[in-house]
Amino acid sequence: DAGVIQSPRHEVTEMGQEVTLRCKPISGHNSLFWYRQTMMRGLELLIYFNNNVPIDDSGMPEDRFSAKMPNASFSTLKIQPSEPRDSAVYFCASRVTSGANVLTFGAGSRLTVL
Amino acid sequence: AQKVTQAQTEISVVEKEDVTLDCVYETRDTTYYLFWYKQPPSGELVFLIRRNSFDEQNEISGRYSWNFQKSTSSFNFTITASQVVDSAVYFCALPIRNTDKLIFGTGTRLQVFP
Repeated sequence: DAGVIQSPRHEVTEMGQEVTLRCKPISGHNSLFWYRQTMMRGLELLIYFNNNVPIDDSGMPEDRFSAKMPNASFSTLKIQPSEPRDSAVYFCASRVTSGANVLTFGAGSRLTVL
Repeated sequence: AQKVTQAQTEISVVEKEDVTLDCVYETRDTTYYLFWYKQPPSGELVFLIRRNSFDEQNEISGRYSWNFQKSTSSFNFTITASQVVDSAVYFCALPIRNTDKLIFGTGTRLQVFP
């Protein structure tokens, strides 16, 4: 199994630019999560999907952030326009739906907004 | 509200020392799961263990052991004879009741010096 695949691994952009982060979950996992990690706030859950449907986006910081899951094997997290305070590591994770199941994380996308 | 507290921000030890990482949680659930994850310098979050609240027996896996005490709401993690490769940030996590969300503690950074 290839695990959860995220791209790009590193992204450096200028303030105001659009950023799109991508995630391919593990095949057979029907829940997908986007987390953000910063020194100040630790690991924060931004949004999660069950069976491609967004269930809870209460962690999405502002309207500049949006996430989609058009099918079971692909999700995107978009920031438009980006700001320096969005600089963080963004993790995608997947699992079979159930709070008891193990969440498998991708390697993360490190975003730097100048 | 459910909460995970890792009071130790950073711990430094010398190789071969034993070290215990503390995790205290709050939940109103009568049954629940607890998790530990490791984040090595490479940045990925790696699953270590999942424990069901029904099972209070200590668990040992090689040099790693976990002590779960429901009476004190603690789920501590001990590394015996620490090695430099154990250097990482360790996170304790708890699912939020009636949701699929997993909340993480703030993490404990462990540095093992040769």
